[in-house]
Amino acid sequence: EVHLLESGGDLVQPGGSLKLSCAASGFTFISYTMSWIRQAPGKRLEWVAVISGSGDTTYHADSVKGRFIIYRDNSANTVYLHTSSLRADDAAVYYCARVLNGHFEYWGRGTLVSVSS
Amino acid sequence: EIVLTQSPGTLSLSPGERATLSCRASQSVRTNYLAWYQQKVGQPPRLLIYAASIRATGIPDRFSGSGSGTDFTLTISRLEPEDFAVYYCQQFGDGNSPRYSFGQGTNLEI
Repeated sequence: EVHLLESGGDLVQPGGSLKLSCAASGFTFISYTMSWIRQAPGKRLEWVAVISGSGDTTYHADSVKGRFIIYRDNSANTVYLHTSSLRADDAAVYYCARVLNGHFEYWGRGTLVSVSS
Repeated sequence: EIVLTQSPGTLSLSPGERATLSCRASQSVRTNYLAWYQQKVGQPPRLLIYAASIRATGIPDRFSGSGSGTDFTLTISRLEPEDFAVYYCQQFGDGNSPRYSFGQGTNLEI
């Protein structure tokens, strides 16, 4: 059974940083593209970043480019999102998801990032 | 970037009725790259339909998807109590760099 478990969310001050983690199990991790998607309270889902199975190729949404970095450790079956220069509008539940052919097959339960002074 | 607009914003129906949810794109979407998700309060989204019309694993056949180009529809033939939730459409565009976008959601309420 596919299982994705996010962690690392916290309350952080504006301008601060956080490292989010997503531990995967139940499938051959290196074979799958992985992604981060976020959802601010009452807002639509917003794609954040995506990384290929090997980790060689990454893309980030314009809203986070230069501030967030997606990367993965295939030996640990984990994908990460390093967030920096956090702003109030980055506050959201951050989900990781397994990607297949342009859609998000499986989702974790999310981790909450709050940004406030 | 392709913008997805869902209608209606809220749909009020009763169990047993038929629900029709719309997703309109600002530009043509490749049919293989249109998906629908269901999200209940406090839960992550769940994939229902991908490639516009293919049900994901374990999804009941009362859920169906259709459409192409800029107009897509999710139909729930006979609503069950557990179907009342928010539904999102999502597209993927792989031009110069991949871009994923979601609609704003339709709240299906009793």
